Amino acid sequence: DMQMTQSPSTLSASIGDRVTITCRASQSVRDWLAWYQQKPGKAPNLLIYKASVLQSGAPSRFSGSGSGTEFTLTISSLQPDDFATYYCQEYNSYSFGQGTKLEI
Amino acid sequence: EVQLVESGGNLVQPGGSLRLSCSASGFTFRNSWMHWVRQAPGQGLVWVSRINTDATNTMYAHSVRGRFTISRDNAKNTLYLQMNSLRVEDTATYYCARVADYDFFVDVWGQGTTVIVSS
Repeated sequence: DMQMTQSPSTLSASIGDRVTITCRASQSVRDWLAWYQQKPGKAPNLLIYKASVLQSGAPSRFSGSGSGTEFTLTISSLQPDDFATYYCQEYNSYSFGQGTKLEI
Repeated sequence: EVQLVESGGNLVQPGGSLRLSCSASGFTFRNSWMHWVRQAPGQGLVWVSRINTDATNTMYAHSVRGRFTISRDNAKNTLYLQMNSLRVEDTATYYCARVADYDFFVDVWGQGTTVIVSS
């Protein structure tokens, strides 16, 4: 079975910081990877698809990279609205990473 | 506006059944693959099931296979999840989600409906 592993599980950062979250797949998913942001009590929101394509309406400070088994989500300059939990998902067999909680 | 609205969540005893519905609007529902994803309290997202446009191809997570059935009524723009033999560990918020027109990722999520399995 496909396993998606995110690191770190929790990330403490400050406004203006550049942060990177990593997602590793147990086998190649090519570029079939999406990133979602979720705030407490809300549904997830798509940020990135096809590993590096920014979803329409998502802020340009978000970027994604990688292919195969290793992927990253980068936020170039943290804003107050970015403190949330982030999930990667491969969309071949639909497995999610366990999430990365970004906190102050 | 693209919208997905889930309903049907409730408190149910272990071994019981429940049917969730997801009403779609603002897009051509019959052209979209759809998913169910769940999230236990305080936990991460877990994929549950997927269905193609004409319901000829379905897929399930190991944990629900044989107990849950995904279906759709394209005439009613509605997605369903029939859940039987419910277990305490099925307690979660259940989200329906739309697959993007031009690829296989999920681009739109509903607000979720809560299922609690408890005696």
